[in-house]
Amino acid sequence: DIQMTQSPSSLSASVGDRVTITCRASQAINNYLAWFQQKPGKAPKSLIYGASNLHSGVPSKFSGSGSGTDFTLTISSLQPEDFATYYCQQYNSYPLTFGGGTKVEIK
Amino acid sequence: EVQLVESGGGLVQPGGSLRLSCAASGFIFSNYWMSWVRQAPGKGLEWVANINQDGSEKYYVDSVKGRFTISRDNAKNSLILQMNSLRAEDTAVYYCVRGIGFDIWGQGTMVTVSS
Repeated sequence: DIQMTQSPSSLSASVGDRVTITCRASQAINNYLAWFQQKPGKAPKSLIYGASNLHSGVPSKFSGSGSGTDFTLTISSLQPEDFATYYCQQYNSYPLTFGGGTKVEIK
Repeated sequence: EVQLVESGGGLVQPGGSLRLSCAASGFIFSNYWMSWVRQAPGKGLEWVANINQDGSEKYYVDSVKGRFTISRDNAKNSLILQMNSLRAEDTAVYYCVRGIGFDIWGQGTMVTVSS
């Protein structure tokens, strides 16, 4: 199974900050990497697929990068609505696996 | 509007069964892989199973193999998860999700396995 390791597990940031979340796969996943945002009590929302492609309607302050085993999600200027938990997920091979999540909190 | 609506969750005793349904609308259901993803209370996301467009390919996480069965009815735009021999560790919100890349999620249905 491919293990997905996110870091940090939580972070505190201020409105306007640039935030970067890292996701590392235990083996190469051919850029089959997605990012999701989840707010408390709500279903996850898809942000990025193919490591760097934004889903329709996702604001451009979100960006994804990386290749091979190391990937990042960046939020260019954190806004109040961005405080949430973020998950990465690989869909290169079965079982499909998620990272443990990164909780972004208000400083 | 693209929408996925789950139903069928509830409280069940260990060893019992439950059948989850997902009604899809707003897109051509038969064109997409479909998945179930679950989230235990206070925990992260776990992929459970998925099925290809015509139902000929199905994949499961090891912890549910032999107990859960995923199926679909393209005529009714419906995805099903039949869950048997339920355990306490199956307690979670179950989400119906579109595609391999999980681009559309339902609101989820809660399954509680407890005596």
